[in-house]
Amino acid sequence: ETGVTQTPRHLVMGMTNKKSLKCEQHLGHNAMYWYKQSAKKPLELMFVYSLEERVENNSVPSRFSPECPNSSHLFLHLHTLQPEDSALYLCASSQEEGTGANVLTFGAGSRLTVL
Amino acid sequence: AQTVTQSQPEMSVQEAETVTLSCTYDTSESDYYLFWYKQPPSRQMILVIRQEAYKQQNATENRFSVNFQKAAKSFSLKISDSQLGDAAMYFCAYIANNLFFGTGTRLTVIP
Repeated sequence: ETGVTQTPRHLVMGMTNKKSLKCEQHLGHNAMYWYKQSAKKPLELMFVYSLEERVENNSVPSRFSPECPNSSHLFLHLHTLQPEDSALYLCASSQEEGTGANVLTFGAGSRLTVL
Repeated sequence: AQTVTQSQPEMSVQEAETVTLSCTYDTSESDYYLFWYKQPPSRQMILVIRQEAYKQQNATENRFSVNFQKAAKSFSLKISDSQLGDAAMYFCAYIANNLFFGTGTRLTVIP
């Protein structure tokens, strides 16, 4: 496996369910990200982990809970979601070098539908 | 506020022709980077081209080139000799402290 892998590709869940999205990067990068992609809206940055420490969460609702157990894995735990949370959730990774020129490598996303 | 605007929700181009996708951004920073990402139907975002704001020379990657106008805060993408595989959503992005994306332009390539 190379690049950034996200599972599952598709997820349908009820508002009372608890599920998790998984992301794994095989690039040796030191930063990982969760983005939310909704139709006709810019990508929304949800969480950033650098060296396994969370550095940004952009006021995301607490029903989204990230976990970064190591530099290669990132999870997004979901519970009591709302229908408006239905979207494509993209994971990305990058090698932070302090220059600001972080080139992100993205996964193929997890399409989430909340019923 | 730092924003990225792509004013063309959809564009189409004849195969082998040239198309230009527009992007403007708003920032108070002097040092930053600009990107164009491509998202094909497979959904995986792929970096197309990158431009450093301190460089006056426009970046070029094979058939892809940019027209970077720093004073106008404009960063357009030109695709030459368009191919069917170029059909995708194209996102303009800006990074200073954080990465900001535009809403995307859907490009259709007509055989």
